[in-house]
Amino acid sequence: GQQLNQSPQSMFIQEGEDVSMNCTSSSIFNTWLWYKQDPGEGPVLLIALYKAGELTSNGRLTAQFGITRKDSFLNISASIPSDVGIYFCAGPQALNTGTASKLTFGTGTRLQVTL
Amino acid sequence: NAGVTQTPKFRVLKTGQSMTLLCAQDMNHEYMYWYRQDPGMGLRLIHYSVGEGTTAKGEVPDGYNVSRLKKQNFLLGLESAAPSQTSVYFCASSYIASGDYNEQFFGPGTRLTVL
Repeated sequence: GQQLNQSPQSMFIQEGEDVSMNCTSSSIFNTWLWYKQDPGEGPVLLIALYKAGELTSNGRLTAQFGITRKDSFLNISASIPSDVGIYFCAGPQALNTGTASKLTFGTGTRLQVTL
Repeated sequence: NAGVTQTPKFRVLKTGQSMTLLCAQDMNHEYMYWYRQDPGMGLRLIHYSVGEGTTAKGEVPDGYNVSRLKKQNFLLGLESAAPSQTSVYFCASSYIASGDYNEQFFGPGTRLTVL
């Protein structure tokens, strides 16, 4: 199946710094989703992108849908301690049954913020 | 609204024991999913359901069974637990899972250890 590669795998940054991470695929995706997982919790949807070239913001988070449709980027501005967690990209992939789809997840970028 | 809830939060089993994980959602979603999350592997789909009374296999279904007798509940069963099933299990639901539209909402997870 399709694989989503995320980089970097982990990041250590200081509070107040900006963060950039990306997600790439060998195949085209028509939708990109970005999730955040806090320690001991389930993933929470941050941003959904549905159009190539689209740039969408959610507070200090900005995500972009790559023009080639094979990549997506997530930026966090002015990081704060609560930004700590694992960030996952995900994209829908057709299932064998009818028109239903499933999500393929990247392996995640672990973000640590130091004061 | 509670969203997606999972019980129990933690469980320790001995090899060969059986157990059932319960997932409930109050968002009236048609689609429900069970994932497992292992270090370095991201989230992998075990089984899913496209509606009440229906279930289907995901990427890693072996050793698990599921049932969806009511729309709001999705049960994951382990008939004879093995150490390889030590993992964190997440349930998710979505209103739609058609083509490129599949925004899933996750529960808090169940941490299972099989000795």
